[in-house]
Amino acid sequence: QQQVKQSPQSLIVQKGGISIINCAYENTAFDYFPWYQQFPGKGPALLIAIRPDVSEKKEGRFTISFNKSAKQFSLHIMDSQPGDSATYFCAASISFGNEKLTFGTGTRLTIIP
Amino acid sequence: NAGVTQTPKFRILKIGQSMTLQCTQDMNHNYMYWYRQDPGMGLKLIYYSVGAGITDKGEVPNGYNVSRSTTEDFPLRLELAAPSQTSVYFCASSYGGVNYGYTFGSGTRLTVV
Repeated sequence: QQQVKQSPQSLIVQKGGISIINCAYENTAFDYFPWYQQFPGKGPALLIAIRPDVSEKKEGRFTISFNKSAKQFSLHIMDSQPGDSATYFCAASISFGNEKLTFGTGTRLTIIP
Repeated sequence: NAGVTQTPKFRILKIGQSMTLQCTQDMNHNYMYWYRQDPGMGLKLIYYSVGAGITDKGEVPNGYNVSRSTTEDFPLRLELAAPSQTSVYFCASSYGGVNYGYTFGSGTRLTVV
């Protein structure tokens, strides 16, 4: 059962553009939604995370938008740079009492000059 | 700090062989996890541990075993390797579960032929 659905599978964006990756979840008990960034040959690394008590969280060029009623959240990368080219995973979990993340299927982002 | 160290980085196994994927962390993290990553499938949790002596199954535990005799080490054992176990395996650790973020190792690429 796919509890976190992620789209698109791959994305090509021009340098300076906005990259948008979307995720949808099914389990209404989820209350923690991180994004992980993975470069080739490396393990994923935590990029940014949000809780459902806020609708948006921004860290530098990276923003998470959260829509609790629609059970959706998205990652926006502003002014996308070639160094942002990586695979991005959304994830979800229940914060307490269930200490494991459920990951989406990943989005391969390529930023072209 | 070395972080999370996984060995070996690459391995080719024949069907029916067994092997142990090693994972060690030097951050004194209580929580440790094993994921497998397959193209287009994201990261699937195999086993996890919330402390020495405590392990639990994840989403895809069949064909694998784990032990956690120390805080630092969390080896993953493959018995009777099958082609379906061809994958990239990631070990991760966390100080206190999902809220503290996961630190991933650089992965082990396993091919079963």
